[in-house]
Amino acid sequence: DTAVSQTPKYLVTQMGNDKSIKCEQNLGHDTMYWYKQDSKKFLKIMFSYNNKELIINETVPNRFSPKSPDKAHLNLHINSLELGDSAVYFCASKQGYEQFFGPGTRLTVL
Amino acid sequence: GEDVEQSLFLSVREGDSSVINCTYTDSSSTYLYWYKQEPGAGLQLLTYIFSNMDMKQDQRLTVLLNKKDKHLSLRIADTQTGDSAIYFCAESIDNNDMRFGAGTRLTVKP
Repeated sequence: DTAVSQTPKYLVTQMGNDKSIKCEQNLGHDTMYWYKQDSKKFLKIMFSYNNKELIINETVPNRFSPKSPDKAHLNLHINSLELGDSAVYFCASKQGYEQFFGPGTRLTVL
Repeated sequence: GEDVEQSLFLSVREGDSSVINCTYTDSSSTYLYWYKQEPGAGLQLLTYIFSNMDMKQDQRLTVLLNKKDKHLSLRIADTQTGDSAIYFCAESIDNNDMRFGAGTRLTVKP
């Protein structure tokens, strides 16, 4: 069983499009995250949700909107995609001291 | 500084020990972590250390923590080719957020 899963694994799209990435965790954790990893492997937190409520919102363009329909899901919707949005996006969930990461979604904006 | 810092590259021969160093930023960090990222994969927690410890050993892995200097290291004994990956140091911030280093790319030569 996959603990943290993301779909799709790869996403290639044109500039200006709107796309969503989905994340689900089956660990029963209360806290979920979205991270962005750029081409140089820098990993930056974007959002954190605890029990469906937003608790961290780093300096991220408002084209990015997270949505948590329930505790097990945290989806990321991106409007008006730009070239600079190309990256790998990781979802993670956390309970206590340990974060579990999903396999990542590689987004390529053409 | 505000960044978790690591050297970007390390190359060792198979069978040697690898030592990856990290300096972190927040003296109140409760937990410090080492994550491993293999090509095309998500981050996998390797080990962590609680801030009131100065050493932790787990099979081939030894973590050393110098709280005074805010220095963390990961030693991998008898390094194998399968250990080739990017290793991320991370510190916990405010029990919700984590700050990651840029990652050290370890290359193990036969």
